[in-house]
Amino acid sequence: EAQVTQNPRYLITVTGKKLTVTCSQNMNHEYMSWYRQDPGLGLRQIYYSMNVEVTDKGDVPEGYKVSRKEKRNFPLILESPSPNQTSLYFCASSLGGRSEQFFGPGTRLTVL
Amino acid sequence: AQTVTQSQPEMSVQEAETVTLSCTYDTSESNYYLFWYKQPPSRQMILVIRQEAYKQQNATENRFSVNFQKAAKSFSLKISDSQLGDTAMYFCAFMRTSGTYKYIFGTGTRLKVLA
Repeated sequence: EAQVTQNPRYLITVTGKKLTVTCSQNMNHEYMSWYRQDPGLGLRQIYYSMNVEVTDKGDVPEGYKVSRKEKRNFPLILESPSPNQTSLYFCASSLGGRSEQFFGPGTRLTVL
Repeated sequence: AQTVTQSQPEMSVQEAETVTLSCTYDTSESNYYLFWYKQPPSRQMILVIRQEAYKQQNATENRFSVNFQKAAKSFSLKISDSQLGDTAMYFCAFMRTSGTYKYIFGTGTRLKVLA
């Protein structure tokens, strides 16, 4: 089944403890992206990647890192999480930048 | 910088009726894509419809259609014959096609279809 998977789905952590949210797609998509969703703010793009080893900042990249070493994986790294990074995170992928994005199920992150 | 505005935080419509969700955007680009995504209570994001800016014809997908007014920078979504399953959050999104492929989403409109 074609899909985008994210892990974990739920995470509660404490300030400063490094964490990684994994994202994987099995559709051979070139474009991958991370978003955060907050009430009243909609979705905001954190980082995106046009292909392996090619990443670029979205609108809210501060406090996040990404890497794209393989086409299928695009992990989101929070080196030192803070409470303002408490949010619902979505990973998405598409064949190209202009194509329909397929979203993962979301990761609910709480930073205490 | 591009912006996307959805001015209706919440709307409701009776089952089988028609409803229109508004979206306006601001850009100096001439080529771009516009999207409507649906997020039901399950949180899964689903593409509803897509419009390419250089195409004058409004996109249609079954009961969903758009009214794309490029000069006015308006991209409204019309849902005909509303169904209970249309209850969801709807997001309008903009993507430029020159240089970068950043997406800008609106803040969403929560639509409730009433039985």
